[in-house]
Amino acid sequence: EIVLTQSPGTLSLSPGERATLSCRASQSVSRGYLAWYQQKPGQAPRLLMYEASSRATGIPDRFSGSGSGTDFTLSISRLEPEDFAIYYCQHFGSSVTFGQGTTLEIK
Amino acid sequence: QMRLQQWGAGLLKPSETLSLTCAVYGGSFSGYYWTWIRQSPEKGLEWIGEINHSRTTNYSPSLKSRVTISVDTSNNQFSLKLSSVTAADTAVYYCARGRYCGGTTCYWYWFDPWGQGTLVTVSS
Repeated sequence: EIVLTQSPGTLSLSPGERATLSCRASQSVSRGYLAWYQQKPGQAPRLLMYEASSRATGIPDRFSGSGSGTDFTLSISRLEPEDFAIYYCQHFGSSVTFGQGTTLEIK
Repeated sequence: QMRLQQWGAGLLKPSETLSLTCAVYGGSFSGYYWTWIRQSPEKGLEWIGEINHSRTTNYSPSLKSRVTISVDTSNNQFSLKLSSVTAADTAVYYCARGRYCGGTTCYWYWFDPWGQGTLVTVSS
């Protein structure tokens, strides 16, 4: 089973700043099987990015994804107040695994 | 716009069977794998299993012995049963649309949309 490790655990930034979140896989994975989600308190996770770098419907272009092999990144170019949430990466392989999450909090 | 709505008992005693149902509104039901995922502070997001309209299922190895996922294609619903629950099964349970498979090829290896979630608490 592939293990996804996200870093940092918590990221403290101000609105307008750039956020960079990391997801590292325990072995090389295909970009086509890597997704990112955003979760706000009391809500279900929401799909942000699929296939590592494709934005889901309705996701603003300040969100971008990149990476390959074992290292993947979610970037938010200019943080808006509504972007402060928890972010998860997910891989679909022989089984499905999620990272433990990065909490993006207001500084 | 597809929407998933889920329901089921929220409070169980140890050894009882958890039972949840998810209804799919809007969009196609066939071709997709319909999925259950749970979330707890201890384990984070955990994939439970999936089913398609042909009743093909796949389960998490760690839960396989206790999980049954079924489908009601006439009502576009799918259900989760988890037997012999313990406090470790306390979590928010979500249903979600998963991958699409046509013939021998599958696509869209992510989950979207999700149901609203159901908090299930196991306590004596």
